[in-house]
Amino acid sequence: QVQLQESGPGLVKPSETLSLTCTVSGGSISGYFWSWIRQPPGKGLEWIGYIYYTGSTNYSPSLKSRVTISVDTSKNQFSLKLSSVTAADTAVYFCARFHCPGGVCDGFDFWGQGTMVTVSS
Amino acid sequence: QTVVTQEPSFSVSPGGTVTLTCGLSSGSVSTNYNPSWYQQTPGQAPRTLIYNTNTRSSGVPDRFSGSILGNKAALTITGAQADDESDYYCVLYMGGGIWVFGGGTRLTVL
Repeated sequence: QVQLQESGPGLVKPSETLSLTCTVSGGSISGYFWSWIRQPPGKGLEWIGYIYYTGSTNYSPSLKSRVTISVDTSKNQFSLKLSSVTAADTAVYFCARFHCPGGVCDGFDFWGQGTMVTVSS
Repeated sequence: QTVVTQEPSFSVSPGGTVTLTCGLSSGSVSTNYNPSWYQQTPGQAPRTLIYNTNTRSSGVPDRFSGSILGNKAALTITGAQADDESDYYCVLYMGGGIWVFGGGTRLTVL
């Protein structure tokens, strides 16, 4: 069974860069699309972006100028960097795997438990 | 920018049937949007219920079903149980590699 685990600082100062890593176990990162999703306290889910194991990416237009997602296949990990953070970026950050039968993605099948990141001085 | 719409809240009686919907602020949802559905309880990660409009995820009971109803994607729960009380989210593929979540529906079973 594939498992995903987010890790990274729980507190980030305003204007700094938020950095998180998702470690995949129980399966290979190769051959799949991987995504970051966040949820501010008391609010809904927001898709941030995805990366294919080859390194190709796509980002939400609302966050595109501040987001970078990268992959390290040797470590079975992918990472999120979000720059110039403000209090509005305070959220639980989830990593997830896309479900792509036959090469067409149609949802997310495996999720990490999520990690809370607070932006505060 | 197109917004994905969901009912903010809904209630259903135990044993009853409820249909939650997922629409667009402009236009109609079709299977081309690859709608999927997720259930989330407080403090937990989302649980995948439905892929690609109507394919149940492994282990999901058949009282959860997905469809297209009119111009929206729909999630129907038949024989609602107390532990179905959760937040439900849909997500749509908007094209160009972009996915957008709906705002979620809080379902109360009472």
